[in-house]
Parts: sequence; C-alpha cells; structure tokens
Amino acid sequence: QVQLQESGPGLVKPSETLSLTCVVSGYSISSGFHWGWIRQPPGKGLEWIGNVYHSGSTNYNPSLKSRVTISIDTSKNQFSLILSSVTAADTAIYYCVRGVDSWGQGTLVTISS
Amino acid sequence: DIQMTQSPSTLSASVGDRVTITCRASQSINQWLAWFQQKPGEAPKLLLYEASTSKSGVPSRFSGSGFGTEFTLTISSLQPDDFATYYCQQYDSNFPWTFGQGTKVEIK
Repeated sequence: QVQLQESGPGLVKPSETLSLTCVVSGYSISSGFHWGWIRQPPGKGLEWIGNVYHSGSTNYNPSLKSRVTISIDTSKNQFSLILSSVTAADTAIYYCVRGVDSWGQGTLVTISS
Repeated sequence: DIQMTQSPSTLSASVGDRVTITCRASQSINQWLAWFQQKPGEAPKLLLYEASTSKSGVPSRFSGSGFGTEFTLTISSLQPDDFATYYCQQYDSNFPWTFGQGTKVEIK
C-alpha cells in the first residue's frame, strides 16, 4: 500500500521560499501516476497547486505558476515543492498526493516573521 | 480553468436520512470526477473516482453518478461516522485540476 509523507519547515518568513519534500513508500514513483501538491488554508477549502508526471512533465495552477516548481527524484522515490516569495496568504496545510487516490497526512506551513 | 460548483454548502440531516450532494462542472469533464470525505484534523479520503467507482473499503451506502457536467454523491442512509465535509474534484486532461468549495454535512 502506497504511503506518502511530507516534510519541511513549519515556519517560513514572508518573501522567502517554501520547500517541501514528499517521500513515497510502497510504490515506485517511476512506475506511473501524477504526483502532486494540494493545500488547504486553515478553515478553508482545497486548492490544487500542481503535479509532476513520472516522466518529469509538470502542470501548475495558473494562479501560482510564476512562483511554483515541482520536481521529481526517482532515485530517492520522492518529489518536491518549491514556492517562492511567500506571503501570509500561503499559510496552509500542504498535502502531497498520488493522482487522486492517496494523500499524505499533511503538514502545516505558517508564513510569519 | 474548469469551475466546479458544489451544492449545498451546508446540509443538516439526521441519522438514517438519504443525502444528496451535487457538483456541476463549467464544461464537460466526461467521467473524470472524484469525491472525498474530510473530517476535522484529517486529510481528505477518496470515496469515489471516475464519478461512480467506489474505492475499495468504502461503505456501499456511498454512491456516485453523473457524466459530463452534472454529478451527484448520494449517501443512502446517513450514519454517525458520515458527518464531515465532502469535496468533489475534477481531474480532466485539461489542467488545472479543481475542487468544489465543499459541503459540510451537519447533525440536524
């Protein structure tokens, strides 16, 4: 059974860069699927950030595209999210996902000085 | 972007009630729709994909229907464990993938 686990700083300063990694176990990410990131501001709904296919091709939410990079590392069976120039509006629980069927537990990232 | 409009935003119901949640897409997404259940403090959990296919282990009281732009999630007999927020998500080949705004199912 596939498992996904997010890791990264829980606090990032405004204007700096948010970096998260998702380690995948129980499935080889080079075997297929889109691997993505979704976020949820406290008390609000879900926002799709983007994903990377196992081949390395990426798709991003246009609202975040200028600030987002998602990359994949098949050698480590993990993928990453980079979000630059963050503001308080980027405070959210960040989830990594496989396609639509499997989610990590989520990690809260707070943007504050 | 494909907009997903979910209704109602909040639903008050009693144990045993039949509950229906609707999700409308701004353009056809064929069958590429998923339904999720989220409880406070937890990650969303997949209930159904491809509009009507249940994920293994999901109780049979959850069912989905629809194609194109109109979709429904039905809970045939609401159980205490079902009080939660439900989201639809389209995952058509046209990115970005998008979510409905959510439906909170509350105890009446």
